[in-house]
Amino acid sequence: QQQVKQSPQSLIVQKGGISIINCAYENTAFDYFPWYQQFPGKGPALLIAIRPDVSEKKEGRFTISFNKSAKQFSLHIMDSQPGDSATYFCAASIRYNFNKFYFGSGTKLNVKP
Amino acid sequence: DTGVSQDPRHKITKRGQNVTFRCDPISEHNRLYWYRQTLGQGPEFLTYFQNEAQLEKSRLLSDRFSAERPKGSFSTLEIQRTEQGDSAMYLCASSPPVASGSDEQFFGPGTRLTVL
Repeated sequence: QQQVKQSPQSLIVQKGGISIINCAYENTAFDYFPWYQQFPGKGPALLIAIRPDVSEKKEGRFTISFNKSAKQFSLHIMDSQPGDSATYFCAASIRYNFNKFYFGSGTKLNVKP
Repeated sequence: DTGVSQDPRHKITKRGQNVTFRCDPISEHNRLYWYRQTLGQGPEFLTYFQNEAQLEKSRLLSDRFSAERPKGSFSTLEIQRTEQGDSAMYLCASSPPVASGSDEQFFGPGTRLTVL
């Protein structure tokens, strides 16, 4: 059973547009929710992360929205650029369960010039 | 470069052979994770070390897999009698000590294994 479900599988956005990727989870014990960006042949790199006591966090063009009651969180990329074209993964973990990450299945983003 | 490093970056082997991968974490990080990522999927947790102690192993880690972190610094992941289903990217990540309050994991570039 997949602990974190991610959608959509792929996303095409025009340059300057907003990219939105969604994730949902079931385990209410999760207390850390990061988003990672991965380019082909590279390891994942942390973009932004949030804890469940905060409903929104913004860093530059990247924003996480967190809905604790719905057990959902999303990544918004404002003013999307062709350089943002990559695969994005959401994840969740429990600090006191060794903080091992449960990743979503990924969203391949293509930003068209 | 003071990030997480992994060696080799690519490994091609024949079915039945043994392979070993190495991970060097960020120097002040005492927590180390191994994940496996197959094509088109997110990474899946394999095992976790805190210093030299292996504290958690996934059910995904069959008896053919073994990991070590003998001095609490670098770690090795060995796969014995490789099978074609072992073909994947093997990722290592490290984190600062629990007392730092940080839950961030820093990933290495991965080792791409192809079993023929």
